Amino acid sequence: DIQMTQSPSSLSASVGDRVTISCQASQDIRKCLNWYQQRPGKAPKLLIFEASSLETGVPSRFSGTGSATDFTFTISSLQPEDIATYYCQQYDYLPYTFGQGTKVEI
Amino acid sequence: QVQLVQSGAEVKKPGASVRIACKASGFTLTSYYIHWLRQAPGQGPEWMGRIDPSDGGTIRAQKFLDRVFMTIDTSTDTLYMELRSLTVDDTAVYSCAREFGIVVGFDYWGQGTLLTVS
Repeated sequence: DIQMTQSPSSLSASVGDRVTISCQASQDIRKCLNWYQQRPGKAPKLLIFEASSLETGVPSRFSGTGSATDFTFTISSLQPEDIATYYCQQYDYLPYTFGQGTKVEI
Repeated sequence: QVQLVQSGAEVKKPGASVRIACKASGFTLTSYYIHWLRQAPGQGPEWMGRIDPSDGGTIRAQKFLDRVFMTIDTSTDTLYMELRSLTVDDTAVYSCAREFGIVVGFDYWGQGTLLTVS
């Protein structure tokens, strides 16, 4: 199985800060990577697909870059409603696998 | 609007089986794959498998090949996931999710069903 390793596992930032999360795949997954936001007690929400494409309706402060094994997710200006856990997910190989998550706090 | 509504929480003993329902509405079910995932406390989601509602065909993660069975009742647009030979490690929130349609991502999720094996 493809291992997805996120870093950091948690972070604390202030409103307005730029926040960056890394996701590393155990092998080349091209650009087959999605990012999700999960608020407590809620289902994950798809934010970014194919490494860098913004899902419809998602604020433009969220962005993603990367390919092959190294990917980055960025919140350009952290807002209070962005408090959540963020997950990366690869879909190049079965089984589809997720990172362990990055908890973002203010 | 697109909705996936799941059945309620379950408590099972080790060795038992569980069947979780997921009723779809607000979209043409046969046009989208439906996936099943689970999430243990404090962990990331784990993909279990997916079903093609147009023909009932399934793909399951190797880890669950002999224990997970996904079916569909097309008369009610309800999908089912049965998990057999439960162990305490199967305690998790189980969710159905619609495949995005552009890539293999999940754009709509059920509310989740808590399974406790004890």
